[in-house]
Amino acid sequence: AQSVTQPDIHITVSEGASLELRCNYSYGATPYLFWYVQSPGQGLQLLLKYFSGDTLVQGIKGFEAEFKRSQSSFNLRKPSVHWSDAAEYFCAVQIVDSGYELNFGKGTSLLVTP
Amino acid sequence: NAGVTQTPKFQVLKTGQSMTLQCAQDMNHNSMYWYRQDPGMGLRLIYYSASEGTTDKGEVPNGYNVSRLNKREFSLRLESAAPSQTSVYFCASSPNRASPDTQYFGPGTRLTVL
Repeated sequence: AQSVTQPDIHITVSEGASLELRCNYSYGATPYLFWYVQSPGQGLQLLLKYFSGDTLVQGIKGFEAEFKRSQSSFNLRKPSVHWSDAAEYFCAVQIVDSGYELNFGKGTSLLVTP
Repeated sequence: NAGVTQTPKFQVLKTGQSMTLQCAQDMNHNSMYWYRQDPGMGLRLIYYSASEGTTDKGEVPNGYNVSRLNKREFSLRLESAAPSQTSVYFCASSPNRASPDTQYFGPGTRLTVL
C-alpha cells in the first residue's frame, strides 16, 4: 500500500545536540516531498520541500533534508537543536497518480531537554 | 496578507447539533482543502475544492458537507455532530491542485462534541 512512514513517534534530544527525523515513503511514482512543523496549538508551517534538482534542500529555521531515492527516504536534520524547536513534525508526499493529494505521515513529536 | 484564516478557533457542541466551520484565504489560490487531525493519525483529507465551483470527497468525508462559496471561502458543515467528530480541523489552500505545490494551512479549529 502507498504510505508515508515516520518510524519515530517521539524523540527527545538535548538542547544543542543534533537532530535527525526519519521519513520513508512507498510510492512508485516520482514523489514531491515536504516537511511541515506544528508548534503546540498552532497550524502547520512549511519547513522545506523537494521537487527536483539538488537532493539536499535547505529550509527555514536551520533545517535541511536529504532525498535518497534508493532508500525512499527524506530525512530531516538540524545540526544544533534549540528549545524552540520542540514541536510536532510531519513528512508529506505528493504524487501525480493521486492528483497531487498531500499524504501525511503520522508525525514525530520532538521534546527538547535543557 | 493574512494567509488562511479559520473561525471559530474553539467550539464545543452537543451530539446532534450542527455547525459550520469557516475558512478564507487571501492568496488568490484556486484550490482549498479541509483536513482533520487526530492523535497518532496525522492529517486526513475530508473534502477538497480543486477550483471555484467544484468540490470532491477526500479520505474521510462521512458526516460532513462543504461549500465553496467563492474563490476565497470554503466552509465545512457538520449537520449532526457525533463524538467521533471531536478533532482539530485545518483548512488549507494551494495555487493549483493539478500540479505539485505547497499547501498553506490555517491555525485550526478545535472541536469537541459531547
